[in-house]
Amino acid sequence: AQSVAQPEDQVNVAEGNPLTVKCTYSVSGNPYLFWYVQYPNRGLQFLLKYITGDNLVKGSYGFEAEFNKSQTSFHLKKPSALVSDSALYFCAVRVNQAGTALIFGKGTTLSVSS
Amino acid sequence: DGGITQSPKYLFRKEGQNVTLSCEQNLNHDAMYWYRQDPGQGLRLIYYSQIVNDFQKGDIAEGYSVSREKKESFPLTVTSAQKNPTAFYLCASRATGGYGYTFGSGTRLTVV
Repeated sequence: AQSVAQPEDQVNVAEGNPLTVKCTYSVSGNPYLFWYVQYPNRGLQFLLKYITGDNLVKGSYGFEAEFNKSQTSFHLKKPSALVSDSALYFCAVRVNQAGTALIFGKGTTLSVSS
Repeated sequence: DGGITQSPKYLFRKEGQNVTLSCEQNLNHDAMYWYRQDPGQGLRLIYYSQIVNDFQKGDIAEGYSVSREKKESFPLTVTSAQKNPTAFYLCASRATGGYGYTFGSGTRLTVV
């Protein structure tokens, strides 16, 4: 079965420090990978995606992610965290041939302290 | 501006009642999706539709029903058979052949 794992329920970092939010996936076939961010009682905002090509993907608000096929990972990173980055982050995968819906991880709450 | 509109933002349901959540998009997207969000469980797929007059069950379809009579609209009915309907519901859409998914702002349903 296709699945996405976000092993950390919460990540705490100090403002200005680098942040990493982890994501691993399990799919049969080539994955399309996504990161979304959600603020309280709001919908999901798209951050970045990996479809094909360069394994390092740059997205919105200074975020980036690296696709690692051998480790089946797609970790979200940012060199310098801001307090305003505090939110709920979701990793998602879509398998091209199996269907069109996104499969989501359980989410990771990022808390950036000043 | 193009986007997805979900209404109402907040909805209260009495035990035994059916309620319908609205999802409308003006993006000309073919595919539409309904997800349920519970704390600590991420988003789980309820139903999806790839074209008008066609839809498929997702992972947690029991107690829910949908229709897709128009391309722009994909309403979700939470029936009395859904035993634990209190949750945040998100609608999304995607263009055929596209990679981007657009999400609505959600409806929070509470059983009272």
